[in-house]
Amino acid sequence: NAGVTQTPKFQVLKTGQSMTLQCAQDMNHEYMSWYRQDPGMGLRLIHYSVGAGITDQGEVPNGYNVSRSTTEDFPLRLLSAAPSQTSVYFCASSPGQGVSYNEQFFGPGTRLTVL
Amino acid sequence: GDSVTQMEGPVTLSEEAFLTINCTYTATGYPSLFWYVQYPGEGLQLLLKATKADDKGSNKGFEATYRKETTSFHLEKGSVQVSDSAVYFCALSFNDYKLSFGAGTTVTVRA
Repeated sequence: NAGVTQTPKFQVLKTGQSMTLQCAQDMNHEYMSWYRQDPGMGLRLIHYSVGAGITDQGEVPNGYNVSRSTTEDFPLRLLSAAPSQTSVYFCASSPGQGVSYNEQFFGPGTRLTVL
Repeated sequence: GDSVTQMEGPVTLSEEAFLTINCTYTATGYPSLFWYVQYPGEGLQLLLKATKADDKGSNKGFEATYRKETTSFHLEKGSVQVSDSAVYFCALSFNDYKLSFGAGTTVTVRA
């Protein structure tokens, strides 16, 4: 299993550009989430999904869109990038059942810089 | 709302020293508690967890006990190694898809 994969690893955007951060998992997990990591603030939840076709907002959703058309994929879209969105973005998945039911498995992250 | 407070770093230790990272939480009800570790350049990995009061989570020589009375989940290791250098995050959760994290504590272990 590859686990949770994210692409790209690094990205530089100009203010106003749009882009999509890709996230995929091959563990057949029901739940998926996007977090951003900023210095001194830990990780904050952007959006999450409890299954294909179901998404909801987290703590800091403004400026981001998500969709979940399949169990495996959960892309994060930046509609019009702003410098405040410079951050490291992590995707995570959780099985929702079994021994690891409440554990989240994280991808390696995408480091985004908005100029 | 729910929140986690953990001791600020950075923390610098010598090899074989004792490590404690304090973590307290504020929540309505009894969440599951976690410690995640982030090694340089990597994503987060679950280090240990506890799902109810008085549970002790342990892994790789690290331990933490869920203390309901003091709303705490302090992380300890008796003898650290250089390979333990990382950022440690305390977190809580009431469900499977949302974690509330502390700010993280950077630990550096010197040989």
